[in-house]
Amino acid sequence: AQSVSQHNHHVILSEAASLELGCNYSYGGTVNLFWYVQYPGQHLQLLLKYFSGDPLVKGIKGFEAEFIKSKFSFNLRKPSVQWSDTAEYFCAVTPYSGGGADGLTFGKGTHLIIQP
Amino acid sequence: DVKVTQSSRYLVKRTGEKVFLECVQDMDHENMFWYRQDPGLGLRLIYFSYDVKMKEKGDIPEGYSVSREKKERFSLILESASTNQTSMYLCASSGGNNQPQHFGDGTRLSIL
Repeated sequence: AQSVSQHNHHVILSEAASLELGCNYSYGGTVNLFWYVQYPGQHLQLLLKYFSGDPLVKGIKGFEAEFIKSKFSFNLRKPSVQWSDTAEYFCAVTPYSGGGADGLTFGKGTHLIIQP
Repeated sequence: DVKVTQSSRYLVKRTGEKVFLECVQDMDHENMFWYRQDPGLGLRLIYFSYDVKMKEKGDIPEGYSVSREKKERFSLILESASTNQTSMYLCASSGGNNQPQHFGDGTRLSIL
């Protein structure tokens, strides 16, 4: 079974600071990788995803993530955060599936607070 | 835009009751999922379904069952609710293999 580890449970930054949230997974095969965000009082939304191809993926709201296969990592980055980025961020993985479906395995989440 | 609708935002039930949580999606998605979200634990998969009347256990299926009689509807059932099932329950759907999942707003369930 796969597992996901998010390095930081709570992160506090000032506006305009750069952000990097760490995510490592354990799984022996090919995976699909995701970052989801949950703004206060809202449902989980997809930030970005990696299925194959270019390991540097760009998502919504200026976020990007880099898949480093040798390190089993999929870190989330943003060069300059805004107050509106305050939210909980979840990294998730699922085995690449040739058929059927598989649920997502989530990390425990990182609560990000941006101070004005 | 994908819409995943959960029937209740908040629900309060008593220990021992049979509880039904309903989820409907409007995008003709094959796959549907139930997760629970607890502080410090993230989201954990309870059950999922890849077709009508088909179901698969997730990571924490104990104490739960599911029903999928129609493609658009996926129900989570707590057979005999217990206080440790107090949680936020999230439903999701996806359009096929290797497609992202879309989540509903969640149902915050309290078992007294």
